[in-house]
Amino acid sequence: DVKVTQSSRYLVKRTGEKVFLECVQDMDHENMFWYRQDPGLGLRLIYFSYDVKMKEKGDIPEGYSVSREKKERFSLILESASTNQTSMYLCASKGQTFKNIQYFGAGTRLSVL
Amino acid sequence: QKEVEQNSGPLSVPEGAIASLNCTYSDRGSQSFFWYRQYSGKSPELIMSIYSNGDKEDGRFTAQLNKASQYVSLLIRDSQPSDSATYLCAVKNTGNQFYFGTGTSLTVIP
Repeated sequence: DVKVTQSSRYLVKRTGEKVFLECVQDMDHENMFWYRQDPGLGLRLIYFSYDVKMKEKGDIPEGYSVSREKKERFSLILESASTNQTSMYLCASKGQTFKNIQYFGAGTRLSVL
Repeated sequence: QKEVEQNSGPLSVPEGAIASLNCTYSDRGSQSFFWYRQYSGKSPELIMSIYSNGDKEDGRFTAQLNKASQYVSLLIRDSQPSDSATYLCAVKNTGNQFYFGTGTSLTVIP
């Protein structure tokens, strides 16, 4: 079974703090994704990576950056957390097969106070 | 226009009935289509994928794809209370991005 592990289930941070969300997958997948999920807005793509050190902006990259130094790990960084970044953050990974199936981690619920 | 649109519901069906969930998408070149189930407070779990026109059945679930109409649906037969969840339609477009609908909330009434 594919396992995608997010480092924290719940996180509370203060406005202006630098926040790191970590995601690790164990299936040697090339592609990894970061989404945020908000009521009424669904899942929105923040960034994705198709290889080590490679990244592409999604639909809502503002206020976020990412890092992928190793194939199994994809980090999302909030440079200066703001209250409007309070959300559920979901990491996903996908292999290169034609099936294009994404597997999700358990999610991190981030509250910025 | 949103990339993927779903009726947000809520949809309520009695136990044992058929639940029908619908989704439309805007990118005509899309090739991969998915249905995820998401329980409250949990992450999405893949239940069906479909890649070609027609029906695909897996147990009580049937996914239907009509590329000409840009329409994907999910039928759940013999609905159970444990099927109560939000169902997300996802589409991989001609690029490398996935787009998700906002989800349809399903309640199965015992």
